[in-house]
Amino acid sequence: QLQLQESGPGLVKPSETLSLTCTVSGGSISSSSYYWGWIRQPPGKGLEWIGSIYYSGSTYYNPSLKSRVTISVDTSKNQFSLKLSSVTAADTAVYYCALGIASSSYYYGMDVWGQGTTVTVSS
Amino acid sequence: EIVLTQSPATLSLSPGERATLSCRASQSVSSYLAWYQQKPGQAPRLLIYDASNRATGIPARFSGSGSGTDFTLTISSLEPEDFAVYYCQQRSNWRETFGQGTKVEIK
Repeated sequence: QLQLQESGPGLVKPSETLSLTCTVSGGSISSSSYYWGWIRQPPGKGLEWIGSIYYSGSTYYNPSLKSRVTISVDTSKNQFSLKLSSVTAADTAVYYCALGIASSSYYYGMDVWGQGTTVTVSS
Repeated sequence: EIVLTQSPATLSLSPGERATLSCRASQSVSSYLAWYQQKPGQAPRLLIYDASNRATGIPARFSGSGSGTDFTLTISSLEPEDFAVYYCQQRSNWRETFGQGTKVEIK
């Protein structure tokens, strides 16, 4: 069974770039049915989709974050990554990575989630 | 961007009661809608995908229905472990959004 684990700094300074990696264990992430996403949750608030990357390499981002976000995948390492530039205190949140099953003709949601990692933006 | 509006914000019920949660989309999302359960300090868990299909290992008391813009998650008889926050999520034109959540609390 696939398991996901986020890793990266828990504290990032304002204006710097937040970088997180999601490592997948228990199997290969290299399947044409898979897609990989990042979601965040500010303290006491709801879930916010950050963006997703599909097996084809196509990426899709939340329009409100698009200018600052880059998501990439390295199937040889069973990892995918998130970079969020020019962070402010508003980017303080629990960041989750997730894996789902979807294509152009079906969408089965995000079935496997990491435990989440807390990132605080502060000087 | 498609907006998902969940109602009610909070649902106060007793164990054994039926819970009905609503999710309305600002425009049609076909059946590309999923439901998640989140408990404090935990990651969300996929309950329902494609509007009405239960994910692996999800008890039969959870059911989803709807298509287009109006969707419902029903918990037929609440168990103590079902008190949590529930989110709907959609994908349209490859972009995804979440609803703001419905908290199911013990009355």
